[in-house]
Amino acid sequence: GENVEQHPSTLSVQEGDSAVIKCTYSDSASNYFPWYKQELGKGPQLIIDIRSNVGEKKDQRIAVTLNKTAKHFSLHITETQPEDSAVYFCAASNGQGGSEKLVFGKGTKLTVNP
Amino acid sequence: DSGVTQTPKHLITATGQRVTLRCSPRSGDLSVYWYQQSLDQGLQFLIQYYNGEERAKGNILERFSAQQFPDLHSELNLSSLELGDSALYFCASSTHPGLAGGGEQFFGPGTRLTVL
Repeated sequence: GENVEQHPSTLSVQEGDSAVIKCTYSDSASNYFPWYKQELGKGPQLIIDIRSNVGEKKDQRIAVTLNKTAKHFSLHITETQPEDSAVYFCAASNGQGGSEKLVFGKGTKLTVNP
Repeated sequence: DSGVTQTPKHLITATGQRVTLRCSPRSGDLSVYWYQQSLDQGLQFLIQYYNGEERAKGNILERFSAQQFPDLHSELNLSSLELGDSALYFCASSTHPGLAGGGEQFFGPGTRLTVL
């Protein structure tokens, strides 16, 4: 089955700097790659996603890139702010069997220092 | 607020007991997914229902079961509870059943289960 590896497990940046989180996946049939932000005591919140027919997607300060050949995708956050501090999860899905069940990475704890 | 509701927020029970977790999907969403989040295993998919029928199963224990009712709310039943079942349980809902292109999943706030 699918396996998603996520790096780094922790990331500390200064406010205003950029943050990059990387994920690799094993199943070449995976075609949907969302990113979630989880704050303490809350459920994961979808922040951006990308599908396999697109190489890059941007939404204000966040962007995601996908390299299907290398089977990796990355989250880029620019001009980080203290409220960006949270745990970020990448995930992958192949839609097989009519299900979009997600396989998640282990998460990256991002700390943005004021 | 994702629009997905889960009750209860917290649940404390003893080993060997049975509990039921409830989830109401976003208005109009037909799919409900259940995930377990623990420190050692991370976020893991348990089971999915689409419009009342089971659509996919993950590494869900035989002691666990779920169902989706005609009003589309779902319940996750956990029985013969063990200490290791202590975790956060999330449900997520989506509109699309998994057709090519996929559908975004929106997560509820979760139920924190503590088994003593």
